[in-house]
Amino acid sequence: AQSVTQLDSQVPVFEEAPVELRCNYSSSVSVYLFWYVQYPNQGLQLLLKYLSGSTLVKGINGFEAEFNKSQTSFHLRKPSVHISDTAEYFCAVIEGTGGFKTIFGAGTRLFVKA
Amino acid sequence: DSGVTQTPKHLITATGQRVTLRCSPRSGDLSVYWYQQSLDQGLQFLIQYYNGEERAKGNILERFSAQQFPDLHSELNLSSLELGDSALYFCASSATGQATEAFFGQGTRLTVV
Repeated sequence: AQSVTQLDSQVPVFEEAPVELRCNYSSSVSVYLFWYVQYPNQGLQLLLKYLSGSTLVKGINGFEAEFNKSQTSFHLRKPSVHISDTAEYFCAVIEGTGGFKTIFGAGTRLFVKA
Repeated sequence: DSGVTQTPKHLITATGQRVTLRCSPRSGDLSVYWYQQSLDQGLQFLIQYYNGEERAKGNILERFSAQQFPDLHSELNLSSLELGDSALYFCASSATGQATEAFFGQGTRLTVV
């Protein structure tokens, strides 16, 4: 069955340090992969997505992610975080066969400290 | 601003009651998706409509129903409410039936007391 695992529920990091938020998925078919950010009391905003092509995907706010098919991972990275990056981050998957249903991970709370 | 409008932003109601959440998709988008975000279940897909027809169903309870109207806005009806239905309900829309291009609204926070 299709599922998404975000390996860390919380990630504290100092400002200007690099960060990696980990995401693994399981699926027997091809998938589309997404990262969303949710700021407090806000909706979901798309950071980046992998549909096909280059496995390194660049998104908004300086974030990037790499699709690794052999490890079924789609980790999110940023080389230098800001206080304003403090938010909840969700990894999500859509199976390529249907395209109807987005499966979300449990979320990772990124907390950037001064 | 994603262009997806959800009303109301907040709703407080008692157990056993019925509520209706409304979603206006982005201009031109034919597909609407409903999601529930709760502390214990996380973000879960409920249902999708495409051009007025139900397209896909997720973990939607029988007490919940949805529809999409000819003007493409959608409503999610929640009845016989229980405390556990307290959650943030999101609507998303896309131009096609593919969720890969979906944009999310700000959500409706439902509190059942």
